[in-house]
Amino acid sequence: KQEVTQIPAALSVPEGENLVLNCSFTDSAIYNLQWFRQDPGKGLTSLLLIQSSQREQTSGRLNASLDKSSGRSTLYIAASQPGDSATYLCAVVPLGGATNKLIFGTGTLLAVQP
Amino acid sequence: GAVVSQHPSWVICKSGTSVKIECRSLDFQATTMFWYRQFPKQSLMLMATSNEGSKATYEQGVEKDKFLINHASLTLSTLTVTSAHPEDSSFYICSARPDRGQETQYFGPGTRLLVL
Repeated sequence: KQEVTQIPAALSVPEGENLVLNCSFTDSAIYNLQWFRQDPGKGLTSLLLIQSSQREQTSGRLNASLDKSSGRSTLYIAASQPGDSATYLCAVVPLGGATNKLIFGTGTLLAVQP
Repeated sequence: GAVVSQHPSWVICKSGTSVKIECRSLDFQATTMFWYRQFPKQSLMLMATSNEGSKATYEQGVEKDKFLINHASLTLSTLTVTSAHPEDSSFYICSARPDRGQETQYFGPGTRLLVL
């Protein structure tokens, strides 16, 4: 059974710092991995999607890497801003599934202090 | 961009009543939609996969007779929580996967259900 874990559970940093969020998954047989942002009481916004054949994806100040063999992904946020404060979720789509269902991690609650 | 809406955004009901939540893809068609549940301080858990024109597929431990799913069209899926109880209080989020071949899912804003 695929399990997705995120470390740390919570993180507080001063504005301007670079930071790394970690995601690990127990079964390397995945189709892709995705990072999401969730603001309090709201739905999810997709940040980056990495296919299983890819090593990383970048979007603005965000960079996500994937090491499928070791079951790890990282989300790097450069020059953090207070507006980055949110819960960050990673999710994998297991191989063999017919409907691309997502298995979510436990989330990292990020607070960027002004 | 692809937009998914949910209605209502929040609902409070008495124990024993049924609650219907709608999920709509506003600018794309979605044969497949997903329903998730999120309890406080926990991550999202997939409840069921909604398929237009066929029965929904439920995850292990989710009662299909309690959580009725109807995928009425290519842009609408509904989740009905029947005979709701306080333990059903949660944040329900839907997502829709576009039919045009994109792999990502687009998520609705969620519906917060409180059963008294």
